[in-house]
Amino acid sequence: AQTVTQSQPEMSVQEAETVTLSCTYDTSESDYYLFWYKQPPSRQMILVIRQEAYKQQNATENRFSVNFQKAAKSFSLKISDSQLGDAAMYFCAYGGGSNYKLTFGKGTLLTVNP
Amino acid sequence: EAQVTQNPRYLITVTGKKLTVTCSQNMNHEYMSWYRQDPGLGLRQIYYSMNVEVTDKGDVPEGYKVSRKEKRNFPLILESPSPNQTSLYFCASSFGMGAGELFFGEGSRLTVL
Repeated sequence: AQTVTQSQPEMSVQEAETVTLSCTYDTSESDYYLFWYKQPPSRQMILVIRQEAYKQQNATENRFSVNFQKAAKSFSLKISDSQLGDAAMYFCAYGGGSNYKLTFGKGTLLTVNP
Repeated sequence: EAQVTQNPRYLITVTGKKLTVTCSQNMNHEYMSWYRQDPGLGLRQIYYSMNVEVTDKGDVPEGYKVSRKEKRNFPLILESPSPNQTSLYFCASSFGMGAGELFFGEGSRLTVL
């Protein structure tokens, strides 16, 4: 069974600085997706970024980028120029298999200090 | 507007009183799923449906039922709720296997007394 581990329950960053959230996963599959979802206090699950495993190039979405290391099964999220609105719970998720289940990590609570 | 709609958003009920949380999507998605979110545990899949009339258990199906009679709707049924089912519930949908992103509803906060 796939597992997703987020080793940082909480992180904090100063406004305008850069922060990296860690995620590792375990799988025996070769074809899968990886995601970072953001959950602000409104509880809505918002997709931040996604990465297809077959793509070697790291995904980027504006201030958000990932460092995808397939051999190491690592998928970290870098947030540049952090803003107050980035404060949220961030979940790493693995998607694959015949039932297309998303397996989530336990989350990292990010605080942005002004 | 493309969306997944859940109702109710908030519900307080008592042990044993049957309830249904509705979920509807307007994106013509094949795949729908239910998750529950609990502090320190992340989100865990309850049930999923690959297509109409095709459903299967996720990781934590005990105490729940689902049905998929129409493509757009995927209700979650708690026949006899218990306090350990107090949680935040999310419905989600996507185009299907390998299609990437799951689209989530806004969540339903359920409290069972």
